[in-house]
Amino acid sequence: QQQVKQSPQSLIVQKGGIPIINCAYENTAFDYFPWYQQFPGKGPALLIAIRPDVSEKKEGRFTISFNKSAKQFSLHIMDSQPGDSATYFCAASKIQGGKLIFGQGTELSVKP
Amino acid sequence: GAGVSQSPSNKVTEKGKDVELRCDPISGHTALYWYRQSLGQGLEFLIYFQGNSAPDKSGLPSDRFSAERTGGSVSTLTIQRTQQEDSAVYLCASEGPSTDTQYFGPGTRLTVL
Repeated sequence: QQQVKQSPQSLIVQKGGIPIINCAYENTAFDYFPWYQQFPGKGPALLIAIRPDVSEKKEGRFTISFNKSAKQFSLHIMDSQPGDSATYFCAASKIQGGKLIFGQGTELSVKP
Repeated sequence: GAGVSQSPSNKVTEKGKDVELRCDPISGHTALYWYRQSLGQGLEFLIYFQGNSAPDKSGLPSDRFSAERTGGSVSTLTIQRTQQEDSAVYLCASEGPSTDTQYFGPGTRLTVL
């Protein structure tokens, strides 16, 4: 019930490509779905987040698509750049007392 | 202003020793979280403090782990009688009263020999 499943584990794309990372959750009480970006030796940093009352949110080159009925959400990175190479984590929480339940992470490599 | 800071950045200890890890949250943030990041387990929740409420300790893996938050600000995570499986990066995050965003510190890398 508390799990968040993330795929793929790793992803390699060429510069300009559109990597897509997928997550699925089980607990319907979750109402906040952030994506975090982590570079080696650094803590995770919030990239973009969505609530279940919308199906899509876009910030710059990053877009979250959310499918409430399927309990799935995904991150799309438009026009990916080598500087986007990092590990990406999806997460889910309840707004009240919101400990984050993280997916397993996706290591993204964008080749020049 | 400054972000979340953690100290030490690295800690190497011998099995059986006690360690203390420190977290300084962003000023004014009322919520503070500890997470652990390890190769086999990913990022896992440990404990959560919110204001003066009793902490949520549901993620602590054993009674060797404890944490306190003094004066609603600085937090210390203590691991007693460390084991090799405690080796991980320990991350602290804080959250303000008007935001859902958890801001993470750089972490403390703990190595138990």
